Amino acid sequence: ELKVEQNPLFLSMQEGKNYTIYCNYSTTSDRLYWYRQDPGKSLESLFVLLSNGAVKQEGRLMASLDTKARLSTLHITAAVHDLSATYFCAVVNTDKLIFGTGTRLQVFP
Amino acid sequence: NAGVTQTPKFRVLKTGQSMTLLCAQDMNHEYMYWYRQDPGMGLRLIHYSVGEGTTAKGEVPDGYNVSRLKKQNFLLGLESAAPSQTSVYFCASSELAVQETQYFGPGTRLLVL
Repeated sequence: ELKVEQNPLFLSMQEGKNYTIYCNYSTTSDRLYWYRQDPGKSLESLFVLLSNGAVKQEGRLMASLDTKARLSTLHITAAVHDLSATYFCAVVNTDKLIFGTGTRLQVFP
Repeated sequence: NAGVTQTPKFRVLKTGQSMTLLCAQDMNHEYMYWYRQDPGMGLRLIHYSVGEGTTAKGEVPDGYNVSRLKKQNFLLGLESAAPSQTSVYFCASSELAVQETQYFGPGTRLLVL
């Protein structure tokens, strides 16, 4: 059974700082997603990573995938308050999308 | 395009009552999904559908039933609600396969007393 683990579960960071969220999964998969959820809102797709070594960037967020290590990272550069949200990784497993537990990010001045 | 919509937005039930949650999408997507979100547990798949008239079980199907009579609608039913079903329910859809990006509805918050 595929397990998806994220860490940290909670991250409080100062504006302007850099940090990385990690997503580990237990069995092979050929596709990994990152989603963002604002408090009380729905989920919004950020990135889809399709192959080993894939890297996607948008604004201050950059996601990468290492399929051999079964690891994806979401790197935050020079954080701003607008990035405060919960971030989920999700891994495709045959006919299902399995979500991690989420990382709640708070950016303070 | 409204995307994925859900009704109701919020509901309070007593234990043993029944209800149906409605999901509608206007993107002509083949696949539709129902998830529940509980604190600290991410999203878990309840049931899904790969096309009109089809349904399949997800990770946590017990206590729920679904129907997909029309391509654009996916209904989630609770026949006899239990407090353990207190959760936020999200519907999602994807175009042709589970591997494709899923688009989520705004969610339904359900409280079972």
